[in-house]
Amino acid sequence: AQSVTQPDIHITVSEGASLELRCNYSYGATPYLFWYVQSPGQGLQLLLKYFSGDTLVQGIKGFEAEFKRSQSSFNLRKPSVHWSDAAEYFCAVGVVAGGFKTIFGAGTRLFVKA
Amino acid sequence: KAGVTQTPRYLIKTRGQQVTLSCSPISGHRSVSWYQQTPGQGLQFLFEYFSETQRNKGNFPGRFSGRQFSNSRSEMNVSTLELGDSALYLCASSPDLANEKLFFGSGTQLSVL
Repeated sequence: AQSVTQPDIHITVSEGASLELRCNYSYGATPYLFWYVQSPGQGLQLLLKYFSGDTLVQGIKGFEAEFKRSQSSFNLRKPSVHWSDAAEYFCAVGVVAGGFKTIFGAGTRLFVKA
Repeated sequence: KAGVTQTPRYLIKTRGQQVTLSCSPISGHRSVSWYQQTPGQGLQFLFEYFSETQRNKGNFPGRFSGRQFSNSRSEMNVSTLELGDSALYLCASSPDLANEKLFFGSGTQLSVL
């Protein structure tokens, strides 16, 4: 069955420090991969997506993610975190099954220290 | 363009009651998906509709049902509410058959007492 694992429930990073959020997926075919962000009191917003091609994808707000097929991973990175990045981050995989459905991980909550 | 609109924003019900939640997708979007969000569980997929047809269903009991109308608006219904149904219910719409990007509403926060 398809699944997404985000091993870190929460992470605390100092402002200005680099960030890496981990994501592993389980899916038999070539995956469609996404990262969404949910800021307090706001809806989920797409940060970036990977369908094919270059395995390093750039997103909004300075985020990037790298697809590694051999590790079934799609980790999200940012070189310098800002206080406004504090939010919950969800990794997701798009599955073609009848129609198309998106399966989300449990999320990683990011706290940013001043 | 208006975003995805979910009503009501908050809802309080008691065990055994039923509830209907509404979702209006972005104009032109034909696919609507529903998710249940609870702390620590992330977003659990409920079902997805496209052109009034349910294309996919998650692993939820039959008490959870939905439908989509010809104008792409969607409703989900939960009957015989249980305490564990308390959650944020999110609706997302998408323009494509491939459903590649989801546009989310703000959700309906359901509390079951």
